[in-house]
Amino acid sequence: QQKVQQSPESLIVPEGGMASLNCTSSDRNVDYFWWYRQHSGKSPKMLMSIFSNGEKEEGRFTVHLNKASLHTSLHIRDSQPSDSALYLCAASNSGTYQRFGTGTKLQVVP
Amino acid sequence: NSKVIQTPRYLVKGQGQKAKMRCIPEKGHPVVFWYQQNKNNEFKFLINFQNQEVLQQIDMTEKRFSAECPSNSPCSLEIQSSEAGDSALYLCASSLSREGTGQLYFGEGSKLTVL
Repeated sequence: QQKVQQSPESLIVPEGGMASLNCTSSDRNVDYFWWYRQHSGKSPKMLMSIFSNGEKEEGRFTVHLNKASLHTSLHIRDSQPSDSALYLCAASNSGTYQRFGTGTKLQVVP
Repeated sequence: NSKVIQTPRYLVKGQGQKAKMRCIPEKGHPVVFWYQQNKNNEFKFLINFQNQEVLQQIDMTEKRFSAECPSNSPCSLEIQSSEAGDSALYLCASSLSREGTGQLYFGEGSKLTVL
């Protein structure tokens, strides 16, 4: 069973719109959450990480974490066509490798 | 551009054939991971190393899969007898940390097709 669940599976947003992606871990023994972006035919690249409850913002990207519910969300404001990609969430703790979800495929349409 | 170098980018093998992939981690990164990404975007962790030492590996790796990270040579992942279900993108990643706190830096992957 998948320990990192992402939703939605796919998402279409208009250019300039807000994209909201969700991720939950069913493994309570995780402390760290990661968001990676994988453009088609390319390697995943880390976008943001969050380890503490609350919110973190970097440019157009904001990530939230609620450790009690093991839920994280990624929000992309002013979405651009270049943001179209597969967004992967991963979770880990200090003793183990990162476990990935199956991603949200984001398409930003002009 | 990825600083983790994976070769070859593409492999096509018949069932039962060997498939070997190589990875040069980013300079200064002591930890190397291998993941399998299938067509449904399911990531499966295979094995990780710190320098030449295996840290963790899954059962699947112990059977048909073998991997090593020799000193002063590329790391490698080899499938002894390829099966159709092995068709996937094999991603190598390196990290500064063996702990789960380290960011992963991925290579472009080796896409294996087993006919």
